Amino acid sequence: SQTIHQWPATLVQPVGSPLSLECTVEGTSNPNLYWYRQAAGRGLQLLFYSVGIGQISSEVPQNLSASRPQDRQFILSSKKLLLSDSGFYLCAWSVNQETQYFGPGTRLLVL
Amino acid sequence: GESVGLHLPTLSVQEGDNSIINCAYSNSASDYFIWYKQESGKGPQFIIDIRSNMDKRQGQRVTVLLNKTVKHLSLQIAATQPGDSAVYFCAEIDSGGGADGLTFGKGTHLIIQP
Repeated sequence: SQTIHQWPATLVQPVGSPLSLECTVEGTSNPNLYWYRQAAGRGLQLLFYSVGIGQISSEVPQNLSASRPQDRQFILSSKKLLLSDSGFYLCAWSVNQETQYFGPGTRLLVL
Repeated sequence: GESVGLHLPTLSVQEGDNSIINCAYSNSASDYFIWYKQESGKGPQFIIDIRSNMDKRQGQRVTVLLNKTVKHLSLQIAATQPGDSAVYFCAEIDSGGGADGLTFGKGTHLIIQP
């Protein structure tokens, strides 16, 4: 069966520090991968998606970037965090561009 | 772009009662719909899906209804339990569209009262 992992689970970082969040998927090959951000009490905002290694599409201009160094690994990064980067970051995968399956999320607090 | 929205941000029901969560969508090309459940501090969990060639689909204690004429989707939960307390999101997709995937609604917070 397929599983998706995210780490860390929680992170507290100062403003201006770098960020690296990791997502890995097991049990499937060549999945589509997605990064979402969710503000408190809000819906899901798609940040990036990837249909293959090295292929990244950005949905919104922002302070973040994404990379896909391996088929089942998706990384969300920032060189300098802003206060507004705080939120709940969710990684998801799909194989048919329909149903997406979400990871447990990373809660990021930028102080 | 077009988006999916929900009628009510919060729904409070008595334990044991049935719950109905509503969703409106605007993209007439959408042909696949999903309901997700998100408990506090966790990622959304797939509940049930429905394709546009159907108007009803049933799962365990849940039923999804699709009315394409008025672009309306609903999730019915029978005999709600405390564990049903969560935020419920509807999502839609045009399967012929790009890989950017699902469009999510803002969510409805379902509160179960004892």
